[in-house]
Amino acid sequence: GAGVSQSPSNKVTEKGKDVELRCDPISGHTALYWYRQRLGQGLEFLIYFQGNSAPDKSGLPSDRFSAERTGESVSTLTIQRTQQEDSAVYLCASSKGDRWETQYFGPGTRLLVL
Amino acid sequence: AQTVTQSQPEMSVQEAETVTLSCTYDTSENNYYLFWYKQPPSRQMILVIRQEAYKQQNATENRFSVNFQKAAKSFSLKISDSQLGDTAMYFCAFIHHFGNEKLTFGTGTRLTIIP
Repeated sequence: GAGVSQSPSNKVTEKGKDVELRCDPISGHTALYWYRQRLGQGLEFLIYFQGNSAPDKSGLPSDRFSAERTGESVSTLTIQRTQQEDSAVYLCASSKGDRWETQYFGPGTRLLVL
Repeated sequence: AQTVTQSQPEMSVQEAETVTLSCTYDTSENNYYLFWYKQPPSRQMILVIRQEAYKQQNATENRFSVNFQKAAKSFSLKISDSQLGDTAMYFCAFIHHFGNEKLTFGTGTRLTIIP
């Protein structure tokens, strides 16, 4: 079946603009995760959804970052007033439900803030 | 919070050789899960192998196998007959069965297969 998809693949924006990143999880996966990966570094957890609710937002770095999920499917990560330090690859993953279930990742969105 | 340590930032090996990537973790719990993910230059994270801590048998997936030493809290990945397509970053990850913490990743090992 189809895997996790993300769009856009690449995004270049100017400092101060807002951006929206989209994630389509694997059908039937109730859990969805967002991660940030700066160049040459590991994965930094941002937020976790179970269904449409977000029980764990502890990784969001500032109030400029927000995310929502609708219909227990698509999720959108929004970064307002982007800064250069927001430049990174944003990865989305989904899993069947419990937090210890295997996470399957999308190809990521590479964000470059000029 | 649990920690995952990958002590080899970079490794390289000749094609067709065997290579072992190390991973250690810290926990006082008994029920947990360990993962190896591969991230090639295409940047998509791909699951290589998963190990449940309650299983004594080491997980294997074709040329990939793990050496899970629970007492030593060690979870190394062995790649046999390495291929050029194995060139990637490899991340070890850990999560408890119980509790609400997140999947914790190591800092990764960059593996290069030399033709």
